[in-house]
Amino acid sequence: QKEVEQNSGPLSVPEGAIASLNCTYSDRGSQSFFWYRQYSGKSPELIMFIYSNGDKEDGRFTAQLNKASQYVSLLIRDSQPSDSATYLCAVVPPGGYNKLIFGAGTRLAVHP
Amino acid sequence: SAVISQKPSRDICQRGTSLTIQCQVDSQVTMMFWYRQQPGQSLTLIATANQGSEATYESGFVIDKFPISRPNLTFSTLTVSNMSPEDSSIYLCSVAEQRDYNEQFFGPGTRLTVL
Repeated sequence: QKEVEQNSGPLSVPEGAIASLNCTYSDRGSQSFFWYRQYSGKSPELIMFIYSNGDKEDGRFTAQLNKASQYVSLLIRDSQPSDSATYLCAVVPPGGYNKLIFGAGTRLAVHP
Repeated sequence: SAVISQKPSRDICQRGTSLTIQCQVDSQVTMMFWYRQQPGQSLTLIATANQGSEATYESGFVIDKFPISRPNLTFSTLTVSNMSPEDSSIYLCSVAEQRDYNEQFFGPGTRLTVL
């Protein structure tokens, strides 16, 4: 079982819709959770992180964490074509301090 | 966040040779890391670059193949030794501060092609 799993997509949504990206992780004691956006040919860019159960909002982005179910999600409201990218979920495992375990990423396509 | 640069941005190398990649940060940072992103894949941590001591390598990565230096708090190098086509990847450095949640920020990456 992979440590961090994401649906590879592509996830296709119309402009203005809500895009929902999901990530599950295998290690129950994982500590903190990160979402990165990666445009083709570019390096990952940190969108936000979350470490406690519930929702965390930052502009059009909302991260949701449910440790009991071992999933973390990212919602993008009012999706724009410029949001089209691969979204990477990363997890710090127990005792991992600064080590990030990345999922394979979900490709999002926002069409006009 | 810190500004991170990498040199070279890309290179094409012959098998059996070695390439050293540099990572420079515009401010002192506590932690520096090296990742590999193989074509169409996600990121895999190679090692944590420790200032003034040997790097900490992840399972599957060894010092002889990927020697790393970190002489100070703003600079690190990764060498890919005795290269084969399987080493063709993007190599990225990242940095983080010693805070509770340790957000990592990535450099622009070095795209390596081995022929």
